[in-house]
Formats: sequence, C-alpha cells, structure tokens
Amino acid sequence: DQQVKQNSPSLSVQEGRISILNCDYTNSMFDYFLWYKKYPAEGPTFLISISSIKDKNEDGRFTVFLNKSAKHLSLHIVPSQPGDSAVYFCAASAASGTYKYIFGTGTRLKVLA
Amino acid sequence: ETGVTQSPTHLIKTRGQQVTLRCSSQSGHNTVSWYQQALGQGPQFIFQYYREEENGRGNFPPRFSGLQFPNYSSELNVNALELDDSALYLCASSLPGSGEQYFGPGTRLTVT
Repeated sequence: DQQVKQNSPSLSVQEGRISILNCDYTNSMFDYFLWYKKYPAEGPTFLISISSIKDKNEDGRFTVFLNKSAKHLSLHIVPSQPGDSAVYFCAASAASGTYKYIFGTGTRLKVLA
Repeated sequence: ETGVTQSPTHLIKTRGQQVTLRCSSQSGHNTVSWYQQALGQGPQFIFQYYREEENGRGNFPPRFSGLQFPNYSSELNVNALELDDSALYLCASSLPGSGEQYFGPGTRLTVT
C-alpha cells in the first residue's frame, strides 16, 4: 500500500519556465511534509518543508503548496535551471515525534537549456 | 560544519553473511534515522535512534538492528543477508524536535 504517491516518473521543462512536481498521500494523519532533491551517487538533499498548519511555504525559487482536503502537495520551481535536473522525492510523516518519513517513488526532472 | 558521512561507500557480500554500516551524524544532531532505497524506489524507513535508544521502527525484520553511540554516530547491522537486501542504505541526522533530516551519501550494498 503506497501511502505517498508521485504519479509522474519524469518531467521535462524548458529552462526559465516553471516546474511543477506533484505528490498525493492517503494517510490523513500525515502532518509534516518534505521535498528532497537527489543527484546520482549522492544522498537526498533537503529542499523545503511544510507543516499541515500551513498551505504554502516559500524558499527562494522553491514553493510548496499543501491541499489537505485533496491530500495533495506540489513543489513549484520558478524559474527552472539546468542544475535543477535531478530526482525529486516527497516525504510525509505523522505527528509521532519520530518523524518516520514515508517517501514517494520520485519524479525525475530534466530542465532543458 | 561537517555533514553526514557514511562508510563504506560500496560493499559486496554473499548471501547469509552479516554486514555493518556506519554513519556519523552532522554536528549537534542527536537523532539518526536509517533508510533502505531499492533501485527505482524511494527510501524506506528502517529505524531511528535518539540518545542511544531505538525511537521508532519501520516494517523490517529483526535481523536489521542498530546502535547509536554517545557521540551520536550510528551503526546498522544486517544479519543473514538475502539477495533482496541489495540496496542503497541511507543515514539521516536531525536536530532534536526537528523534522528536517539531512542525509549522507549512502552505502551501496550488493548481496550475491
């Protein structure tokens, strides 16, 4: 049972345009969400987080939106740069204090120059 | 500030053997989590250690065990290795009470 789903395995975007990566979850107990970026042969790099008390969080070119009623979150990257090409994972955790993250399967983003 | 480090980088073991993977947490981080990432999948939570005690466990059998030391570094031990244990093993550290986990580069384990 995949509690966190990233239904798009890959996405290609032109440099300078917006990249939108989507993530759906099924467990209504999830209340903290993260996005990570992963390059080959490296560990995931933390990008941005959002707690369920918010519906938006921004950090520079990265914005995460959370729609609790739809159990959906998205990561917007504006403007997209070639260096953003990587695999992006969303992760979710319930309020247990353990932050035991459930990860999606990832979306490979390719930003075309 | 030193980030999360893991050793070894790569490892090849035979089915039935035992393996120990090591992780040094980022400075000041007293919580360490271990994840297994199979090819084409997202990381799967194995367990978490906080102040040298296990603080949560995922759906992994008891042959996956761990330790955390007073300096917050950690080990993951896997006994009776199976072919399906071949994966990238990731360690992540975090500050107390923080949900933001910072990952190391991982150890690639191959079981033949």
